[in-house]
Amino acid sequence: GQNIDQPTEMTATEGAIVQINCTYQTSGFNGLFWYQQHAGEAPTFLSYNVLDGLEEKGRFSSFLSRSKGYSYLLLKELQMKDSASYLCAVLDSNYQLIWGAGTKLIIKP
Amino acid sequence: DAMVIQNPRYQVTQFGKPVTLSCSQTLNHNVMYWYQQKSSQAPKLLFHYYDKDFNNEADTPDNFQSRRPNTSFCFLDIRSPGLGDAAMYLCATSREVEGNQPQHFGDGTRLSIL
Repeated sequence: GQNIDQPTEMTATEGAIVQINCTYQTSGFNGLFWYQQHAGEAPTFLSYNVLDGLEEKGRFSSFLSRSKGYSYLLLKELQMKDSASYLCAVLDSNYQLIWGAGTKLIIKP
Repeated sequence: DAMVIQNPRYQVTQFGKPVTLSCSQTLNHNVMYWYQQKSSQAPKLLFHYYDKDFNNEADTPDNFQSRRPNTSFCFLDIRSPGLGDAAMYLCATSREVEGNQPQHFGDGTRLSIL
């Protein structure tokens, strides 16, 4: 079966750095997405990785290792508004998006 | 601004009473998706349309139907809602199915069943 694993919940301090990991086992791979979802709202697109390495976008960076079936989302200079769930999703060989259950990130002052 | 719009944001219906949720898009995207998301769970894909081609997920209950009368609009019909159908329903669009085309989501409709 296809599977995406992420930690259920993480806590970090305002101003700090946090890394949210995602491991996947899917039938084929056509890219990995990270989405942010605030409580009661829709997911919003953060990043897309299809090649190995680090993609940086302001305070957020995303890393991919296809050989390890592993990605992480790195959030720097954390702000209170970054409190949200972060969902990892993989596009499989049929171009179907396989979603993780999300990591709830709690930011403390 | 180009966007995905879902109406209503909150919908309350009675057990067994049919309900229709709507989605419109101004992005002119080929693909439209309907997801069901329950609290602290991953979004679950119900259907998607590539243009007018309808694709039903194997485990989507028959109670759920969808219509896409034109490129801009898509509807989700729940024929006889049960208590287990209470959830957030998310509509999303993408330009294409392949490659680096992110899905753009509407704000969702939160469905409650009395």
